Amino acid sequence: EVQLVESGGDLVQPGGSLRLSCAVSGLTFSSYWMSWVRQAPGKGLEWVANIKFDGSDKYYVESVKGRFTISRDNAASSLYLQMNSLRADDTALYYCARDRPGKEGFDYWGQGTLVTVSS
Amino acid sequence: DIQMTQSPSSLSASVGDRVTITCRASQSIGRYLSWYQQKPGNAPNLLIYTTSTLQSGVPSRFSGSGSGTDFTLTISSLQPEDFATYYCQQSYRSHTFGPGTKVDIK
Repeated sequence: EVQLVESGGDLVQPGGSLRLSCAVSGLTFSSYWMSWVRQAPGKGLEWVANIKFDGSDKYYVESVKGRFTISRDNAASSLYLQMNSLRADDTALYYCARDRPGKEGFDYWGQGTLVTVSS
Repeated sequence: DIQMTQSPSSLSASVGDRVTITCRASQSIGRYLSWYQQKPGNAPNLLIYTTSTLQSGVPSRFSGSGSGTDFTLTISSLQPEDFATYYCQQSYRSHTFGPGTKVDIK
């Protein structure tokens, strides 16, 4: 059974930092692109970032460029999102998800970890 | 950036109804269009990818069509478990989700 389990969400002040983790099991983690997708409370889905299977390519939505960094540890089957200079509009449930090969959407998702940015 | 729109933003329907949701991209995305279902408190669930391919385990009452900029998700006979919010998503260039369509009970 494939499982993606996010952790690290918390309440943080504006300007603060947080590191999210996603532990993956049940699939060959090192073979797939992985993404972070977020959902603000009561709002829709927003893709945040993704990373190539070997970590050599990374892409970000414009609003987080320069503030967020996606990374992975294939030996530990884990995905990370380092979030710096956090703003109120970063408040959301953050999901990790597997990119289906061939640009075929996201087929496995975790249950999300909640990040709240507030003073 | 590629923008995605969906219509309607919400709809009310009855069990057994045929439901159609439209998704439009701001530029051609070929067939790189996926559909997701999300129920309250749950992660999104992939229903369809590359416009019309049903994800494993998804009932055949769901279907997708389109190409270029205009796409459609159809539920042929709405079931009680289908009341949810549906999102389209392009993966032609980066990734962008549509704003969602909420399907509720009439």
